[in-house]
Formats: sequence, structure tokens, C-alpha cells
Amino acid sequence: DTGVSQDPRHKITKRGQNVTFRCDPISEHNRLYWYRQTLGQGPEFLTYFQNEAQLEKSRLLSDRFSAERPKGSFSTLEIQRTEQGDSAMYLCASSQMAGGITDTQYFGPGTRLTVL
Amino acid sequence: GNSVTQMEGPVTLSEEAFLTINCTYTATGYPSLFWYVQYPGEGLQLLLKATKADDKGSNKGFEATYRKETTSFHLEKGSVQVSDSAVYFCAPVYGAGGTSYGKLTFGQGTILTVHP
Repeated sequence: DTGVSQDPRHKITKRGQNVTFRCDPISEHNRLYWYRQTLGQGPEFLTYFQNEAQLEKSRLLSDRFSAERPKGSFSTLEIQRTEQGDSAMYLCASSQMAGGITDTQYFGPGTRLTVL
Repeated sequence: GNSVTQMEGPVTLSEEAFLTINCTYTATGYPSLFWYVQYPGEGLQLLLKATKADDKGSNKGFEATYRKETTSFHLEKGSVQVSDSAVYFCAPVYGAGGTSYGKLTFGQGTILTVHP
């Protein structure tokens, strides 16, 4: 088990460009979460999946953001028409939900996005 | 909405000093409670957790007790080391059943610096 991985680790883009991040969860985990962390703050929840179903989206997630988990394994988070305010660390976490009891979330190293 | 309040930092201690980082949460339902730690240049790691009232989580010399009557989950360590320097996050998991169960609500984080 190699843990949660994220790619890329760093992304610098110009305002208005689209970016896509990938997250590979721990293989047996059925839940996958996306969070965003800005400097000096705690992570904020964005969205999560159980298997391939996206079950909840935060109000923080504008229409420019979209996430998928097509086969219930890896997930992608796309930001369209990036803005400087999107600059942050994007964190992915996974966990195993069984019998209505969620287990610990394990985090990846994050993707740091800088929008110029 | 659901929220968590952490002791403001930064906290600066000498090695072998006693550490307390306060954390209180809003009492909506019966959350599970987590402390995560972020070491410099690393991703979020689970430090300890407690899933019901009066449970004590412990790891690496750190302890925290789930206090339902005071809605608190204060982190303590009897003798800190330089290697404990990191950012500490308190994070309840809210939701009671249903599809929204499981997302973490993070505090703002407390920066701990331990000097030799």
C-alpha cells in the first residue's frame, strides 16, 4: 500500500487557463474527498465520492470546479478559467466507509496551485 | 453551521515542557473527533482520534479526551520534543448517518515551535 498519491505536486498557471489534478486513493478505500487549504488556514471541504457517486459538494465549489471519479478508483478535479483566488493547496483524502461507520481519512501530499 | 475553534497560536515551548492545545466544537449530533498534524514540508497525518464520549485517543505521547459535557477535545503532551514542531489541527467529523457523514471540519490550526 503506497498511500494516497496526487499529481502534479505543483502547478503554475496563468489566469483564465484550465487545470486538472489527479488523485489516486488507497486501493481498497471506497470514499474519496477533496479539500482546499490556503496559507495559514485549515483545510476546507470541497466534495466527496463514495465509489463513483459524487455525494456532496460544498458551496465553496463554484461552477468552474468539477470533479469526477469515473470508475470508483482515481479522481480528477478540474478548475476552468482559473482566477488568482484559486491559488491554494488542493488535498485529496480517502477512507473506507463500512456499515455506516466511516474510518480515518488518509491524506495525500497535495497539489499546490499558483495562478499568476 | 458546524464549526470548531482551536487555541490561537503560535505556541512556543522549550523542550520537555507541558503542552496543551485547546479545541472546542459545536455540539451538533455526536461527532467523531480527530487531531491531525502537519510537519514542515509534509502532508496531513492522523495523530489520534476518539469516536464517542469519554474516549481517550493517544499516540506518540499525545493524548486527548472526548468531553461531551464541555464539547472539547484538548490535545496534551507531558514533555514535548523539538521534533514535535508542526501545525496541529482539530477536526470533528459531523453527520449522523446518511450520505453526508464523514467530511472533516478543520480548525484554523495551531503552530507549535519547540526550542532545545
